[in-house]
Amino acid sequence: EVQLVESGGGLVQPGGSLRLPCAASGFTFSSYWMHWVRQAPGKGLVWVSRINTDGSETNYADSVKGRFTISRDNAKNTLYLQMNTLRVEDTAVYYCARGVDSGSSRIGYWGQGTLVTVSS
Amino acid sequence: QSALTQPASVSGSPGQSITISCSGSSSDVGGYNYVSWYQQHPGKAPKLMIYDVSNRPSGVSNRFSGSKSGNTASLTISGLQAEDEADYYCSSYTRSYTYVFGTGTKVTLL
Repeated sequence: EVQLVESGGGLVQPGGSLRLPCAASGFTFSSYWMHWVRQAPGKGLVWVSRINTDGSETNYADSVKGRFTISRDNAKNTLYLQMNTLRVEDTAVYYCARGVDSGSSRIGYWGQGTLVTVSS
Repeated sequence: QSALTQPASVSGSPGQSITISCSGSSSDVGGYNYVSWYQQHPGKAPKLMIYDVSNRPSGVSNRFSGSKSGNTASLTISGLQAEDEADYYCSSYTRSYTYVFGTGTKVTLL
């Protein structure tokens, strides 16, 4: 069974940092593109970032470029999102998601999400 | 990258068909056959319903179908059922090597 489990969320002050891990199981993690998508409370989905299978290619939404870094450890089957210089508007549930199939970057399967709250 | 445009709400009676539109530009929806649709029930993670404009993942009901014309994609739900009440989001790959989601549509049964 495919499982994506996000963790690391919580309350952080503006300007602070947080790292979100996403533990993957039930599939060959190293064969799939991975994404981060966020959803502010009561709002719509917003794409954040993606990373290719070996970590050599990454892309970011303009709103997080230069502040967030996506990475992966294929040996540990884990995806990460390092978030720096956090702003109040970064408050959201952060979902990690997997490509539809191996080699495809279209967003397919989603984890349950972890809530990040940026507030003083 | 601005969000793709979807109607805020669509409603229908049980058994009827409804269509949700997703309007973009030649830089996203119109430029690639990489439009996906997601269903999200309250408090739950999104679920993939359609990918690559019209492909259904295994396990998704054939009551869901997708299409595209120019810069606008559409999701049709036929034989509307109570379990179809949810929020629906479209998504497209863009020429900037990023993805963009739609504004979301709330589907309600009358």
